[in-house]
Amino acid sequence: QQQVKQSPQSLIVQKGGIPIINCAYENTAFDYFPWYQQFPGKGPALLIAIRPDVSEKKEGRFTISFNKSAKQFSLHIMDSQPGDSATYFCAASMESSASKIIFGSGTRLSIRP
Amino acid sequence: KAGVTQTPRYLIKTRGQQVTLSCSPISGHRSVSWYQQTPGQGLQFLFEYFSETQRNKGNFPGRFSGRQFSNSRSEMNVSTLELGDSALYLCASSLDGGRDGYTFGSGTRLTVV
Repeated sequence: QQQVKQSPQSLIVQKGGIPIINCAYENTAFDYFPWYQQFPGKGPALLIAIRPDVSEKKEGRFTISFNKSAKQFSLHIMDSQPGDSATYFCAASMESSASKIIFGSGTRLSIRP
Repeated sequence: KAGVTQTPRYLIKTRGQQVTLSCSPISGHRSVSWYQQTPGQGLQFLFEYFSETQRNKGNFPGRFSGRQFSNSRSEMNVSTLELGDSALYLCASSLDGGRDGYTFGSGTRLTVV
C-alpha cells in the first residue's frame, strides 16, 4: 500500500517527441505527488508537483496529468531535448508524514538527437 | 546560495566496520532527511530530523541511526556494516519538512567490501 509503481523502466525518444512516464498508487492517504529528475552523479531535483484536487499541471515543457479515481498520474515532456536525458522518479507523500517521500522505481529516459 | 553539501563523496569500508556520513543543509533549512539509493530497492526513506529531533523514521534496522546538531547539520551512522549497505546515501533539506520541496545533495557513495 505504500508503493508507487512506475513504468516504463527505460524509454528512448527522438528529439522533439513526447515521452510519457506513468505511475500508479494504492494508498488514498497520499495527497502530494512530486516528480524528480536525476542526472548521473547528482541527487534528485524536484521538477514539478501536483495535489489530487487538480487534474493537470504545466510548468514549461513538463505536464503532470492526474486521475484521482484511477489512482494514476503521468509526466509528459513536450518538445523533448537531449538535455532532458535523465532518470525520472514519480513520488508520493501524505500530510501526516510529509517528509517521508515514497519514490517510484525510476525511468531512465534517453532523448536521441 | 550554497546547496546541500554531503561529505565524503566516496567511501570504502570493510564489512563489520561502522561509518559516519555528514550533511550540511541549505542555510536556514531546519529539516534534514536521509535516503538510501540502490539499483535494486531504489530510493528509500531512512529518517528525518527537525530541530535536533527525529520526526519520521523509515523501515531500516537499528544499525542505521542519525542525529542533528543545533546548526541543523546532520550525521548518519551505520554500524556493523553489511555488504548490502553499499549504496548512494542522499541527504535532503527543506525549510520545515513540509511540502515546499526538498533539495537533495549529490550523495555519499558507500562501498562495503
